[in-house]
Formats: sequence, structure tokens, C-alpha cells
Amino acid sequence: SQQGEEDPQALSIQEGENATMNCSYKTSINNLQWYRQNSGRGLVHLILIRSNEREKHSGRLRVTLDTSKKSSSLLITASRAADTASYFCATVTWGSNYKLTFGKGTLLTVNP
Amino acid sequence: DADVTQTPRNRITKTGKRIMLECSQTKGHDRMYWYRQDPGLGLRLIYYSFDVKDINKGEISDGYSVSRQAQAKFSLSLESAIPNQTALYFCATSDRTGQGAGETQYFGPGTRLLVL
Repeated sequence: SQQGEEDPQALSIQEGENATMNCSYKTSINNLQWYRQNSGRGLVHLILIRSNEREKHSGRLRVTLDTSKKSSSLLITASRAADTASYFCATVTWGSNYKLTFGKGTLLTVNP
Repeated sequence: DADVTQTPRNRITKTGKRIMLECSQTKGHDRMYWYRQDPGLGLRLIYYSFDVKDINKGEISDGYSVSRQAQAKFSLSLESAIPNQTALYFCATSDRTGQGAGETQYFGPGTRLLVL
């Protein structure tokens, strides 16, 4: 079963608005990452947040992590049409084995 | 030139055929991964390799095998392709940063495979 689950599955907004995507997971993690994928292309890493961090910023991106709720959010501020893509969270756990699990993604459409 | 390349980019094959997907990287990373992506299911890890002598099964390794020929090369084989292996396949690499430290994965452009 999927470790990470994004919400919503699809989001449509107007250019200039903020977009918020959420990711929930089931088991303890070492870090959580967000990736972006333009249609049919490879994923591009956006930001990584470690389990002992609560918030990180990178340009127009803000990621939060609440380990007590097992959830993360990705906020894109002042969205642009070029931000249209699918966004995936990925959780990493280190136990007896390394495990990286991607969610199913949120499809963001930013309308000009 | 792209840091992570995959060949072929598109492949159509028939049920029962053996095929190989290849991945090469110029990033100098020790770690390489193979994923498949299906509509509505996100990416699932097939195999991963932390160095040339280390190969590990991922979430969905049945029906697949891999070979790490060199630090820069990691190939994925379907010994006897079946239609439900139709998917988009991605190779990725990451650098060694230590357990728990976190690592960024760098993805190739993908191989679109259709099994008839």
C-alpha cells in the first residue's frame, strides 16, 4: 500500500493564487521529499525536509512537516502557469532496509 | 548532455519477449534506482543498488531483474514481458549521504514500454 497519500488529487487555480497540497503517511520516517513532474517527463526534486525539521523554504515553496500527525504540506505562493504539473511527496525510512515510497500525486493546473 | 539517460525512450514488445532497459549516469553517484509509474498509482520502486556489489529488491520486483554493470550503468530486464508490465519506467540516482541524512534523487527522462 502507498505510504504517502497526497490530497487533493487535482487542484485548479488562477495565476497569482497560492496552491497548497497535502501529504499524509502511515509510519515513522527519516525524511520527506517533494518532487514535481511535467507531463510524461522525469521527476524533479523540489525540497527535502528531515524528520527533526518543521518547516523549510525554497523560493516560492514552503514545506511543513508535522510528525505527530504524520503529514506534510507544500505551499506554492504566487503561482504561475509554468507551475502546472503533478506534485509527489516521497517518504524515506531507514530500518533494516532502505525504503522510499512515492504518493500518487496531486495534479496542479494554474490557469493564466 | 543529460546527467541521467535512459535507452530506449519508447519500446513496443510482445508478450513473452525478453527486453532490457538501460540507464547511464554521469553524476558519479553510487546509488541507482528503477521505478515504474502507472496512471493513478504514482511511482513504485522495483530495484535499487547502493553500489556495484549491492542489489536490493524494491516494492514490486517480481518479473524483473537488474544488473549493475558499473557505477554508471544500471539495467532493468523483463525476462518474459507481460501486458501488465506496460508502464513508464524511470531510472534515478542519488549520492551517498549517510543513513537518515536524506538524499535527492535525480531522474532520467523515462522509457515508455508497451507490451502487447
